[in-house]
Amino acid sequence: DTGVSQDPRHKITKRGQNVTFRCDPISEHNRLYWYRQTLGQGPEFLTYFQNEAQLEKSRLLSDRFSAERPKGSFSTLEIQRTEQGDSAMYLCASSLSTGSRDNEQFFGPGTRLTVL
Amino acid sequence: SQQGEEDPQALSIQEGENATMNCSYKTSINNLQWYRQNSGRGLVHLILIRSNEREKHSGRLRVTLDTSKKSSSLLITASRAADTASYFCALPGGGYQKVTFGTGTKLQVIP
Repeated sequence: DTGVSQDPRHKITKRGQNVTFRCDPISEHNRLYWYRQTLGQGPEFLTYFQNEAQLEKSRLLSDRFSAERPKGSFSTLEIQRTEQGDSAMYLCASSLSTGSRDNEQFFGPGTRLTVL
Repeated sequence: SQQGEEDPQALSIQEGENATMNCSYKTSINNLQWYRQNSGRGLVHLILIRSNEREKHSGRLRVTLDTSKKSSSLLITASRAADTASYFCALPGGGYQKVTFGTGTKLQVIP
């Protein structure tokens, strides 16, 4: 399977613990995105990388959240001191810049986080 | 960045019927995308329509875009139970090619 993969698929943690999620994009894609989705809502943009550079961060991304893409390939999203409000599905997507304004994003299956 | 508003929020139809859902927005866009999300396959890109296009087809899907009314519609013809999913429109979010998703239309196709 050469699609976007995410690990783990499910994570249950206690409030106050740190968690880290991993995303492996489609190999030739230089753009990588993180989204958060809560029940009944559409995905909300969190952050965006072009290659290894983090170019945009949403105001939703508090200082407890940090994302990296060290070699321009896989990415990690870490949440420190988790809160119950962090419970959500965390989605990763990737795309290939083509010079046009089109931007079809390919999504991974997501990591479902439950904070107890 | 702006968020599209999908209508209706939920739709229930019999297998074989057509399903139509709409997305309205407020400010000019370069393109608009439709995505589908179900529990089995996650979030999947369906169609991208550019601002200079009025209609686009992909299999049983037909998307229209009316830039004067700032609205788009997604028509699924001859629906199947496997079409049961949430459908989202996604609008360009400004710089760096991000998109903003609406709250979605939840479609149930009854066999």
